Amino acid sequence: AQSVTQLGSHVSVSEGALVLLRCNYSSSVPPYLFWYVQYPNQGLQLLLKYTTGATLVKGINGFEAEFKKSETSFHLTKPSAHMSDAAEYFCALVPRSSASKIIFGSGTRLSIRP
Amino acid sequence: EAQVTQNPRYLITVTGKKLTVTCSQNMNHEYMSWYRQDPGLGLRQIYYSMNVEVTDKGDVPEGYKVSRKEKRNFPLILESPSPNQTSLYFCASRDAGGTSGGKGWTGELFFGEGSRLTVL
Repeated sequence: AQSVTQLGSHVSVSEGALVLLRCNYSSSVPPYLFWYVQYPNQGLQLLLKYTTGATLVKGINGFEAEFKKSETSFHLTKPSAHMSDAAEYFCALVPRSSASKIIFGSGTRLSIRP
Repeated sequence: EAQVTQNPRYLITVTGKKLTVTCSQNMNHEYMSWYRQDPGLGLRQIYYSMNVEVTDKGDVPEGYKVSRKEKRNFPLILESPSPNQTSLYFCASRDAGGTSGGKGWTGELFFGEGSRLTVL
């Protein structure tokens, strides 16, 4: 069965520091992969996605993620954290065999220290 | 403006009193779905619909019903709510992309702002 694991339910970094949010997936065939962000009292919005092609994908607000098949990972990074990055982040996969399903990780809450 | 609209945003009800959460999208998307968000569990899919009159169960369908009579609307119905259905609910839509994505498919889900439901 496919699954998504996000390591660390809560990550705290200083403003200006590197942000690294970890996501590992389990799937026999590399799936479509997504990162969504949820700001307080809002719905989720897409940060970035990997469907085909380049394994390093860039998203909005300076975030990027790299698909690593050998490590079954899709970690999210940002070189320099900003206070406005404080939010909850969800990694998700859609199986290539069934685009009707989507499986979310349990989420990582990112806090930014001044 | 492209959007997914859910109502109500907040609701407190009592066990057994039927309720409906409406969802409407203006992007002409074929695919719509419902999720519940619970602490530590992320989002779990309740039901989804690939197109009008086509619905299917997600991972946690028990206690819920849906209907898709029109392309833009996808209401979530709780016939007899129970306290374990207290949760934050999200509706979302996207291009269908066929059963396996397909060329040019982006897969991006567009979410409503959520409906916080409390069942006493």
